[in-house]
Amino acid sequence: EVQLVESGGALVQPGGSLRLSCVTSGFNIGGSWMSWVRQAPGKGLEWVANIKEDGSVKYYADSVKGRFTISRDNAKNSLYMEINSLRAEDTAVYYCAGTSIPWGECVFWGQGTLVSVSS
Amino acid sequence: QTVVTQEPSLAVSPGGTVTLTCASGTGAVTSDFYSNWFQQRPGQAPRALIYSTSNKHSWTPARFSGSLLGGKAALTLSGVQPEDEAEYYCLLWFGGAQSWVFGGGTKLTVL
Repeated sequence: EVQLVESGGALVQPGGSLRLSCVTSGFNIGGSWMSWVRQAPGKGLEWVANIKEDGSVKYYADSVKGRFTISRDNAKNSLYMEINSLRAEDTAVYYCAGTSIPWGECVFWGQGTLVSVSS
Repeated sequence: QTVVTQEPSLAVSPGGTVTLTCASGTGAVTSDFYSNWFQQRPGQAPRALIYSTSNKHSWTPARFSGSLLGGKAALTLSGVQPEDEAEYYCLLWFGGAQSWVFGGGTKLTVL
């Protein structure tokens, strides 16, 4: 059974930093592009970033470039997202997702972790 | 402009057919946008339905189909079931911006 489990969400003050983690099982993460998608309360989905199987290529949404850094450790079956200079508009559930299908983005999903940015 | 537009809401009767569309702010959607479609029920994570315009996943019900229609990506549900009531999102690849972009979502109501 494919499982993706996110962690690291928290209540953080504006300007703070956070590291999200996603541990996977049941599929070959080493053969999969991995992504982060977020969803603000009551809003739609926003694609945030993805990373190639070997970590050599990373793409980011314009809204997070320069503040978010995606990374992975295939040996630990894990995906990460370092978030800096947090803003109120970063408040959202952050989902981890993965795919091994060419151009099939975000096939497998976790249940998400909540990041709240507030003073 | 990397804006993706979907109908905010649609309604359909059980057993009916409905088509949801997905438009790009840069012009016509083609196969180079590799459109993906997702279903999200309240309180749940999204579920992938369609990839690369028209390809179904192994778990995608046969009544769902993807296509290109009039310069847009389209998701058609034929023989709608009550459990199809959900929010549906399209996702397009913008090669120039090297970024995927979600549409705003369509809330489908089964009356």
